[in-house]
Amino acid sequence: SAVISQKPSRDICQRGTSLTIQCQVDSQVTMMFWYRQQPGQSLTLIATANQGSEATYESGFVIDKFPISRPNLTFSTLTVSNMSPEDSSIYLCSVVREIKAFFGQGTRLTVV
Amino acid sequence: GNSVTQMEGPVTLSEEAFLTINCTYTATGYPSLFWYVQYPGEGLQLLLKATKADDKGSNKGFEATYRKETTSFHLEKGSVQVSDSAVYFCALNNQAGTALIFGKGTTLSVSS
Repeated sequence: SAVISQKPSRDICQRGTSLTIQCQVDSQVTMMFWYRQQPGQSLTLIATANQGSEATYESGFVIDKFPISRPNLTFSTLTVSNMSPEDSSIYLCSVVREIKAFFGQGTRLTVV
Repeated sequence: GNSVTQMEGPVTLSEEAFLTINCTYTATGYPSLFWYVQYPGEGLQLLLKATKADDKGSNKGFEATYRKETTSFHLEKGSVQVSDSAVYFCALNNQAGTALIFGKGTTLSVSS
């Protein structure tokens, strides 16, 4: 299994500001994944974060809006930049061990 | 590409009723298949999995059988409880270590 600590658990932010979400894993992993779960929707993969290289973004997501850092094999951050109400979602980090995925508790973001 | 389709919700049942949540997939090769559950206010957790054709995953009274001929992985439970009320996600993984692909999720509501 894997223990993932994600913070903050929730936040209410003003539009136009940025929020950085942190994710700490209890052991080293090659790849970390960031998902968005919009209200009543499924999980959508935002990007894959590799240590030592730029993150790989999925279609519809760009680095300027969702910059990601991966300074070591146990930690990653996702920033939601220049927020608008449409960014209100739950953001989740995830790792995969063999074939099983493990998730942080999620960050519930509300943009007002 | 790879994708997962699961039945639309919400599904509303009385306690002790039989549950089926349909899930079909499209994938190249031989993916691993999963059901994840998200209880109210909690993070995603793995419910069960199957890694090859005809495998049956089971946990907490839930079962799902990997049917390659119909590309399906339907979730079943013989007698649901109020505590089973949650959102259920079908998912697949086509390559170890990579991100999972999720269906849209099905909300189950069980009343006493």
